Formats: sequence, C-alpha cells, structure tokens
Amino acid sequence: RKEVEQDPGPFNVPEGATVAFNCTYSNSASQSFFWYRQDCRKEPKLLMSVYSSGNEDGRFTAQLNRASQYISLLIRDSKLSDSATYLCVVNWGGSQGNLIFGKGTKLSVKP
Amino acid sequence: DTGVSQDPRHKITKRGQNVTFRCDPISEHNRLYWYRQTLGQGPEFLTYFQNEAQLEKSRLLSDRFSAERPKGSFSTLEIQRTEQGDSAMYLCASSLSGRGAFFGQGTRLTVV
Repeated sequence: RKEVEQDPGPFNVPEGATVAFNCTYSNSASQSFFWYRQDCRKEPKLLMSVYSSGNEDGRFTAQLNRASQYISLLIRDSKLSDSATYLCVVNWGGSQGNLIFGKGTKLSVKP
Repeated sequence: DTGVSQDPRHKITKRGQNVTFRCDPISEHNRLYWYRQTLGQGPEFLTYFQNEAQLEKSRLLSDRFSAERPKGSFSTLEIQRTEQGDSAMYLCASSLSGRGAFFGQGTRLTVV
C-alpha cells in the first residue's frame, strides 16, 4: 500500500512564528521528495524539492531522513501569505515511479 | 503561456454521460500525470505516462476511466457512464523524469 502520511492540522500560528511539518512515507525505495503548497480551490504549486543534505530557500528549510523515512518542512518568520495547505510528495518506487501525495497539512497564520 | 493547460475548466454533465478532458503539458516534459482531488483531500493518483507509454494506472481507477497520450504530447482522460461519485477536480501535471511536477488549473467535474 502506498502511504504518505501527514498531520492534517490545522496549525494556527501567529505572524512571525516558526512552524514545522513532518511527513512519513512507507516506501524505502523512494528517491525524490517534494513539498507543494496549495491555496484554497487552486492547483498545487511546487514549493521546493527535498535533498538528502537538506536545503533552504529563504524562510523555508526542507530536510530528509532516509533512515526514519520522513521529510520535514520548516517555515521561519511566518507571514499571513503563508496560509495554505502544504502537501508532501514522494516519488514512489525509484526513478520510474509516480508521484504520491499526502493529504496535506493546513496552516493558518494569524495577525 | 508555457505552463500546463487543461480544458475545459468546468464541466457539468448528467449521470450516465461520457466526458473527456484534455491536458497539454509543458512542451519538453516527458512525464504526464493525472490526479483526482476532492475537498479536504490531497490529490489522488490516477495514472501517469512517460512519453506515450502509460506506465501505471491506479487500482482505484475503474474500467470506466481511460487515458491516452497518443504522440507523447497532449493527453486525454475519458470517463464513461459518469456517476455522482466522479464529481471532483481532475488535475493534470507534467515533469521531467525525477523532477517535481507542474500542475494545470484542473477541470472541475460536476455530475448531476
């Protein structure tokens, strides 16, 4: 069974807070990992890829732990505009595999 | 516009009718994916293509669903004998192998 698990939230945080999301996946053969952002009634948008060494893009940091089969997303200095659903995505079964989405974690940043 | 485009954006159909959706991927992308999404859920995988080859089809996809990508460019998704449970947003995405995928704006299907 293909499983990508996320805490659905919602995470309600004040502006300026730091918030972290985790995601676990069940297929140890997975090779590529991504975080997407989805606004209400819009299509998902690629936020960032997740590399083994960890990677950072401005206020966003993604990390991968292959041994424990989870990935994380850290958002620092939250903005109101960060309010969205964050989707964890795992390439299933190596380079030929499809992309499997988690159900998403909802973030609400309050003033 | 060089992004992924989907047509139509909205479709209302009567139960039992057939519907067909079209997806035009980003031109240099060799992979094309179809997903279905309902409110409050993540995108649910339906099928994907690498070039013109359909590499995987979800077991959740009944025989009423079929997808094609005849020349490795655009793709169509057909649903035969639609049911109310087919009402959802149908999303298409494209990518280069191993890279993140880019989505179109989706086709919202309502079966009445």
